[in-house]
Amino acid sequence: SQQGEEDPQALSIQEGENATMNCSYKTSINNLQWYRQNSGRGLVHLILIRSNEREKHSGRLRVTLDTSKKSSSLLITASRAADTASYFCATSKGGAQKLVFGQGTRLTINP
Amino acid sequence: GAVVSQHPSWVICKSGTSVKIECRSLDFQATTMFWYRQFPKQSLMLMATSNEGSKATYEQGVEKDKFLINHASLTLSTLTVTSAHPEDSSFYICSAPGGNTDTQYFGPGTRLTVL
Repeated sequence: SQQGEEDPQALSIQEGENATMNCSYKTSINNLQWYRQNSGRGLVHLILIRSNEREKHSGRLRVTLDTSKKSSSLLITASRAADTASYFCATSKGGAQKLVFGQGTRLTINP
Repeated sequence: GAVVSQHPSWVICKSGTSVKIECRSLDFQATTMFWYRQFPKQSLMLMATSNEGSKATYEQGVEKDKFLINHASLTLSTLTVTSAHPEDSSFYICSAPGGNTDTQYFGPGTRLTVL
């Protein structure tokens, strides 16, 4: 079963604005990852944050992790039309490599 | 970077037939691969873990006799949907861990439509 929940389920903003997506999970984790999926395509890995990290940056992406609240956020700054996609958080636990995905946020960037 | 391919990218079949989907790691070896299913506008649900040289491990609620998994080599896993029905229509995606066990590489997916 999916343990992650993301909000909002859908987000529509203007190009150039920042987009923030949140993810919550229920059990302890090793790490949390964010993926992007363009419509009808496979997943692209964006960023991984470990359970002992609080914040991580990669280009226009900023991820935070609050293990006390079991939540994470993904911030995309200066959004572009090409950022239009679905974004999923995924967690792994213990030594397992398998991922449990959140429900995803469908992001639309309007030109 | 590591690449995972899937074949076919899409397939349409008649109800009652079987369909085989291949997942290949192109430039690395994978003793483990994962199969996910994704219904429209929903998230990915893990179906099973494919293990090279041994039986697959299925998630709760996934029928192992319906979704046959064979991990024939270190670069190939196949998922066979047997006696497919319209409710099996979905997007099937595989993944394989990279050298860093935290990294997963995903295939482009296979869209199955059962008429």
